[in-house]
Amino acid sequence: ETGVTQSPTHLIKTRGQQVTLRCSSQSGHNTVSWYQQALGQGPQFIFQYYREEENGRGNFPPRFSGLQFPNYSSELNVNALELDDSALYLCASSDGTTGANVLTFGAGSRLTVL
Amino acid sequence: AQSVTQLDSQVPVFEEAPVELRCNYSSSVSVYLFWYVQYPNQGLQLLLKYLSGSTLVKGINGFEAEFNKSQTSFHLRKPSVHISDTAEYFCAVSHYNQGGKLIFGQGTELSVKP
Repeated sequence: ETGVTQSPTHLIKTRGQQVTLRCSSQSGHNTVSWYQQALGQGPQFIFQYYREEENGRGNFPPRFSGLQFPNYSSELNVNALELDDSALYLCASSDGTTGANVLTFGAGSRLTVL
Repeated sequence: AQSVTQLDSQVPVFEEAPVELRCNYSSSVSVYLFWYVQYPNQGLQLLLKYLSGSTLVKGINGFEAEFNKSQTSFHLRKPSVHISDTAEYFCAVSHYNQGGKLIFGQGTELSVKP
């Protein structure tokens, strides 16, 4: 059973640029969630995808967008990067058909915006 | 709305001593409760979860937690810690029908000293 894998592990962008982060879900999981973890903080929920549709969103602006593909892999896109977007971005997958969604997290993608 | 408060930002403790990491939550509806651990430069690993049933929950690595509904608490305990338990610990809550959306606390840094 493979876990959740994320790429890239580290990347550096400049303000105003766009970034795409990728996530491969754990085998058998059909739901993916994305979280932003700023330095020294707990993770904050960005959004969740189930069956390729957004299924819940946190308090993040529209320049944060996502996709889920038929194989349940996912992307997080951030446009017009700001300095405050510097953070660890965590992807988590779960089996959305069970009652309680226990999340399996990836190791994250660390984004630095200069 | 739900919220999570971890009452201690840092907990230093000597090896083989007991430890308790405190977590209080606020919610007007039934919730699920979780503890996650994050080692340096890694993602989150599930320690234990409370979904229903017995209020004393046992997890991995010898950790346990007790759900106290009247005090809205979910404190994490371990009777004897090891150096390898040094990490950041996060308490999280989710609404029963919003499984992918976890609300995290700010984290507690557990530092185990020899």
